[in-house]
Amino acid sequence: GQQLNQSPQSMFIQEGEDVSMNCTSSSIFNTWLWYKQDPGEGPVLLIALYKAGELTSNGRLTAQFGITRKDSFLNISASIPSDVGIYFCAGQLGTGNQFYFGTGTSLTVIP
Amino acid sequence: NAGVTQTPKFRILKIGQSMTLQCTQDMNHNYMYWYRQDPGMGLKLIYYSVGAGITDKGEVPNGYNVSRSTTEDFPLRLELAAPSQTSVYFCASSYSRGGNSNQPQHFGDGTRLSIL
Repeated sequence: GQQLNQSPQSMFIQEGEDVSMNCTSSSIFNTWLWYKQDPGEGPVLLIALYKAGELTSNGRLTAQFGITRKDSFLNISASIPSDVGIYFCAGQLGTGNQFYFGTGTSLTVIP
Repeated sequence: NAGVTQTPKFRILKIGQSMTLQCTQDMNHNYMYWYRQDPGMGLKLIYYSVGAGITDKGEVPNGYNVSRSTTEDFPLRLELAAPSQTSVYFCASSYSRGGNSNQPQHFGDGTRLSIL
C-alpha cells in the first residue's frame, strides 16, 4: 500500500501558539484530506483539497495542497485546549475510491 | 440524526470464532466504507461499497467479508478470527455524485475488537 509520512509524530505546545504539520508521499495524489480524531471516537473530516496549490481554511485551520502534489500542510492558529487530538492526512490516487491515511500527528495543548 | 452507528462497541473473541460487526447510517448515503486502525497507525481500508448490491476490496480485505443488501446497512463479517485481526474497526459513509466528492465524511465511533 501507499506510505504517507506525517510529521511531526507528536507536538506539545502552549495554548495560543500556532501549529504546523505536514504529510508527504512518494506518489502523486489528486485529493488530500485532513481529519481530527478525539480519543474513543471516529475521525472527523476538517478540510478537503482538490487542486495543486489550493489553500483552504476552516476557522482557525488552514490546509494547503502542495505544488508537487506529493505533500500537504495543515496549520492551526492560536491553539486552544479543544484542539487536542490526533490529526490524520489522507490522500487519493487517481479518481478511485481508496484513500490512504497517514500515521497521525498527536497534538497536546498545554493551558 | 444518528449518523453512522456501529455495534457492538467492544468485543472479545476467541481464535477461530466468527462474528459480524454491524454498521448502519440514516443519511441515505450511497458510499460506505470499513476501515481498521491498529495502535499508533492510520486507517486502512478493508472493503467499500458504492451502493446497494455493490462491494469492492480495499487495501486489506483478507479474512473479511461484506454485504450491502440495503442502502442503510453495511455489515462486516469475520469468519475465522485470528489475533492479527485485533484492532479498532471504523465504518464510514458519504454521499457521492462522482468526481471529487467520494471521500469518507462521516465516521462511526468504532468497534474495539480483541482476539485472544
